[in-house]
Amino acid sequence: DAMVIQNPRYQVTQFGKPVTLSCSQTLNHNVMYWYQQKSSQAPKLLFHYYDKDFNNEADTPDNFQSRRPNTSFCFLDIRSPGLGDAAMYLCATSRGGGHQETQYFGPGTRLLVL
Amino acid sequence: AQSVTQLGSHVSVSEGALVLLRCNYSSSVPPYLFWYVQYPNQGLQLLLKYTSAATLVKGINGFEAEFKKSETSFHLTKPSAHMSDAAEYFCAVSEQSGNEKLTFGTGTRLTIIP
Repeated sequence: DAMVIQNPRYQVTQFGKPVTLSCSQTLNHNVMYWYQQKSSQAPKLLFHYYDKDFNNEADTPDNFQSRRPNTSFCFLDIRSPGLGDAAMYLCATSRGGGHQETQYFGPGTRLLVL
Repeated sequence: AQSVTQLGSHVSVSEGALVLLRCNYSSSVPPYLFWYVQYPNQGLQLLLKYTSAATLVKGINGFEAEFKKSETSFHLTKPSAHMSDAAEYFCAVSEQSGNEKLTFGTGTRLTIIP
């Protein structure tokens, strides 16, 4: 089945230690998104790629970076995680055919910062 | 900017009873509207979406929603609740301009009482 895959499902890191979360997709979609979701809150868009074009949300901290080396993969780098960065990180994709397009979500990576 | 408001962060219904989850949107132009469901420790899954075709939209798992422009609403309903419907439900709106992004409501946690 075509899908969005996130690894690992759970990630533990130390305060200030860089961490990378990965996302891959077999849907061949043009757009890939990264969301941060804290407990009992709505997902908050951090940034997205339309093909290779990177689009950062205005309020995304500089501590968060992203890479998309090819169509299938996208990475979220947190350079110096703080306690406040503990959250579920969701990757999503869409075809990129317009604002009515469905976003398809991966299962998420839950990040714990010690 | 467009936004959605979900009234009721928690809703409890008895098994077999009607499910009604409320969503109101704010938009100066006809929006695209979505309902997503999130089960514990999982990503979001599309239930249904409104894309300006039919105002009554049928989705998966017996859910449906009606777009009412006069009330700026897109409430989600299901005639008979099942235990497996217990989850978090998010209403979302797609911005009509710029990049293809979703803005989520704060979510409604649905509990089913046996």
